[in-house]
Formats: sequence, C-alpha cells, structure tokens
Amino acid sequence: GEDVEQSLFLSVREGDSSVINCTYTDSSSTYLYWYKQEPGAGLQLLTYIFSNMDMKQDQRLTVLLNKKDKHLSLRIADTQTGDSAIYFCAESPGGYQKVTFGIGTKLQVIP
Amino acid sequence: SQTIHQWPATLVQPVGSPLSLECTVEGTSNPNLYWYRQAAGRGLQLLFYSVGIGQISSEVPQNLSASRPQDRQFILSSKKLLLSDSGFYLCAWETGGPGNTIYFGEGSWLTVV
Repeated sequence: GEDVEQSLFLSVREGDSSVINCTYTDSSSTYLYWYKQEPGAGLQLLTYIFSNMDMKQDQRLTVLLNKKDKHLSLRIADTQTGDSAIYFCAESPGGYQKVTFGIGTKLQVIP
Repeated sequence: SQTIHQWPATLVQPVGSPLSLECTVEGTSNPNLYWYRQAAGRGLQLLFYSVGIGQISSEVPQNLSASRPQDRQFILSSKKLLLSDSGFYLCAWETGGPGNTIYFGEGSWLTVV
C-alpha cells in the first residue's frame, strides 16, 4: 500500500531556514501536500503541488518535488517561533481517493 | 465559504461508556467526509471515510463505528469505550475534485479513564 515517511523532529534557530523532508512510495501520486498542525488544533493546509511541477513558492514557503526519487521537501525561510508546529506531508493519486499522511515532523524553533 | 464544525471539543469518558462525536460541514454539498485519529506522539490514522449518505468505509477494525445520516453530517460512535480509544479525533472533508484537498475541523480530545 501507499506509504509516506518523514523524520519525527527538527530543531532550528530563529531566522534560519528549515527544511522538512518527506518520501513517498506511490508512483501514481498526483498531488502532494503540506499541512501544519499547531498544538491542540486541527490541521491547516499550507500548500500543495501537482506531480508535474518541480517547485512551488509561496512567500516564505518553497516546496521542491523530485518525482524520480519520490522526495518532497518544504523549506521555510527566515523561520519564526510561530512556525513551531507539526508538519504533515501527504499524497493522493487524485480523483475520489483518500489522502495518505505521513507521521508528521515536529519543528522546534529556538529563539 | 465552506466551514466544518465538530463537537464536543473535549471529552472525558469512563471505560465502557458510549461515545458520540458529531461533525457537520456547511457551504458545500456531497462532500467526502473522514474521521481520523491522532494518538499521542503518533501520526494520523484514517478511521472511516464516506462518499455519500449511508456509505461508510472502515479502514481499521476497532470498536468504533461511523454513520452519515445526512449529506453534511458525520458521526463517530462507540457503544463501549476502551482506554486505547483515547486520542485526538479529527473530522475532515474534501470535494473530491482536482487537488483532493482535505480540510480539517478543530478536533476533539477524548480521554478515556
């Protein structure tokens, strides 16, 4: 079945860049997502990328996709303490298909 | 605009008691609806999804059940809670169109004591 893997924890200093990595196994993945979960809250969609794209940038966020290696990354520039949260990678083949989530990477921003 | 509500936000229930978590979506029709569970320190586990009224698919065997009595209403239930049912439960919806973007509710904390 589909599998999405990501590291559990990342610690960065305020002002530095954060890079959260994710790998997936489903070669039919069409859409790949990044969600953010702040403590005690639901998941908030940050951004998503179609599999025919290599990169997507949205303000401080940059998503890079290496489809050959099935590797997705989220780069947060100028990381702030408010960016501390759990970040979930997810993938979907599209259509009426369920989305598969990774276990989540906890980002800790040190002031 | 579409919104999703789930309640209660926090629940403390004794072992063996029943459970009912309710979720409603507004501003859309015929959404796909989901129940996820997030146990402490773990990722998201898909419990149930529904593509229409009365249509429920279960992803994992457990003592939980789900029902969809109306198009935009999704209910998670249990007749007898176990300690292992404790966790953060998230309702979510998506339109099933291009992008498959899932939108989550704020979650319900369940502690079984």
